[in-house]
Amino acid sequence: KQEVTQIPAALSVPEGENLVLNCSFTDSAIYNLQWFRQDPGKGLTSLLLIQSSQREQTSGRLNASLDKSSGRSTLYIAASQPGDSATYLCAVSRTGGSYIPTFGRGTSLIVHP
Amino acid sequence: DGGITQSPKYLFRKEGQNVTLSCEQNLNHDAMYWYRQDPGQGLRLIYYSQIVNDFQKGDIAEGYSVSREKKESFPLTVTSAQKNPTAFYLCASSQGPGAFFGQGTRLTVV
Repeated sequence: KQEVTQIPAALSVPEGENLVLNCSFTDSAIYNLQWFRQDPGKGLTSLLLIQSSQREQTSGRLNASLDKSSGRSTLYIAASQPGDSATYLCAVSRTGGSYIPTFGRGTSLIVHP
Repeated sequence: DGGITQSPKYLFRKEGQNVTLSCEQNLNHDAMYWYRQDPGQGLRLIYYSQIVNDFQKGDIAEGYSVSREKKESFPLTVTSAQKNPTAFYLCASSQGPGAFFGQGTRLTVV
């Protein structure tokens, strides 16, 4: 059974720092990996999707990498801002067939001015 | 404006009652999912459906039921058999890679 772990569980940083959030998974036979953002009491907003054949994806100040062989993904946030404060979740899907995401518990990020 | 709509946003249930959470999507996606989120637990899969009139149990299906009579709708019923239903419920849909989520329903037992 796929298990997804996110480290750290919580992070508090001053504005302007560059951040790295980590996601590891036990079964490397994944279909894709997706990073989400969740604000308190809200649903999930997709940030980046990495297909199993890709190594990384970028969107603005966000960069996500994928290393299937080691079972790891990192989400890099450049020049963090208070508006980045949220919980970040990664989800991996099973190979073939439909996309059925398995989630980590998330990293709760606070960026203070 | 395409997306997933969950209703209601807040729901209160008395002991012994069944309640139904609504999930509607206009993305024309085949697959739909229900997750439960508890503090510190992450998201856990309750049920999923890959096509109309078909659905499968997820990791924590006990005490829940679903139906998929229309492509755009995937309602979740929390039955009285679910002993600890207080949680945040999230519905999602997908068509190929990548999932899209609704804004969630917070269910509280009173």
